Amino acid sequence: KQEVTQIPAALSVPEGENLVLNCSFTDSAIYNLQWFRQDPGKGLTSLLLIQSSQREQTSGRLNASLDKSSGRSTLYIAASQPGDSATYLCAPSGGYQKVTFGTGTKLQVIP
Amino acid sequence: EAQVTQNPRYLITVTGKKLTVTCSQNMNHEYMSWYRQDPGLGLRQIYYSMNVEVTDKGDVPEGYKVSRKEKRNFPLILESPSPNQTSLYFCASSLSQGYSLNEQFFGPGTRLTVL
Repeated sequence: KQEVTQIPAALSVPEGENLVLNCSFTDSAIYNLQWFRQDPGKGLTSLLLIQSSQREQTSGRLNASLDKSSGRSTLYIAASQPGDSATYLCAPSGGYQKVTFGTGTKLQVIP
Repeated sequence: EAQVTQNPRYLITVTGKKLTVTCSQNMNHEYMSWYRQDPGLGLRQIYYSMNVEVTDKGDVPEGYKVSRKEKRNFPLILESPSPNQTSLYFCASSLSQGYSLNEQFFGPGTRLTVL
């Protein structure tokens, strides 16, 4: 059974810092991995999708990497802003289209 | 506008009273899925469907039923709700290419309280 761990569970940084969120998973037989953000009381917003054949994916200030063999993905946020404050979730997708979510990293960016 | 809709958004009910939460998507996606989100446990998959008339259990299917009679709809049925099913429920959909999913799109969530 896939297990997904996100470290740290919470993070507080001053505005402008570059930061890295980590996601590790136990079963490397995945097809892709998706990163989401969730604002309090709201649904999930897709940020990036990395296919298993890719190593990186970029969107604006966000960059996600995937090392399938070691069971790791990282989300890099450049020049953080208060609007980036949210919970960030990673979700690898494996065989038969099952999806497993991590418990998330709660990010607070302080102005 | 491409979207996943869920109804109702909020529901308070009593133990044992059957209920259905509807989910609909307008993106012609093959794949649809239901999740529940609980504090400290994160999002867990309940059921998913790879296409019409094809459904499969996720990690926490007990106490739930689903059906997929049409491509756009994927209702979640609680035949006899219990208090431990109090949770925040999300529906999601995605294009599917064989065994590989594309980007998942989520509905706004349904907050269910079972008394």
